[in-house]
Amino acid sequence: KQEVTQIPAALSVPEGENLVLNCSFTDSAIYNLQWFRQDPGKGLTSLLLIQSSQREQTSGRLNASLDKSSGRSTLYIAASQPGDSATYLCAVVTSGTYKYIFGTGTRLKVLA
Amino acid sequence: NAGVTQTPKFRILKIGQSMTLQCAQDMNHNYMYWYRQDPGMGLKLIYYSVGAGITDKGEVPNGYNVSRSTTEDFPLRLELAAPSQTSVYFCASSWGPDRAEQYFGPGTRLTVT
Repeated sequence: KQEVTQIPAALSVPEGENLVLNCSFTDSAIYNLQWFRQDPGKGLTSLLLIQSSQREQTSGRLNASLDKSSGRSTLYIAASQPGDSATYLCAVVTSGTYKYIFGTGTRLKVLA
Repeated sequence: NAGVTQTPKFRILKIGQSMTLQCAQDMNHNYMYWYRQDPGMGLKLIYYSVGAGITDKGEVPNGYNVSRSTTEDFPLRLELAAPSQTSVYFCASSWGPDRAEQYFGPGTRLTVT
């Protein structure tokens, strides 16, 4: 059974820092991995999608990497800003299924 | 292009009441999903559909039912509401989990008292 873990559960950093969020999964046979952002009381917004054949994806100050063999993905946020404060979730789709399995998220707070 | 829409935004139910949470998407996606999110937890899949007329159970289907009569709509039915169903419910859709990202609605906050 696929399990997804995100560490740390919460993170507080000063503005301007570069930071890394971690996502690990137990079954490396995946179609893809997706990173989401969730603001308090809101729905999820897709940030980056990495297909199983890819090693990384970039969007602006965000870079996500995928290492299937070790069951890990990292989300790198460069030059963090207070507006980056949110909960970040990762989700994987195990090959042969149609189901997204989510981690419990990392709650990020960027201090001005 | 509205994306994924959900109604209502908020609802309070009494124990034993029933209700339907509405979800619609205008992106012609085949795949649609219902999740619940409890405080401090990730999302748990309730039901999903791979196309009109086809639905299947997720991780936590007990107490819920779904139907998919059209590509656009995927309502979630709660029968005999219980306090354990107090949660935020999200609907999502995609072209397919093997190749495309998932888009989410804004959520429905449900309280059962």
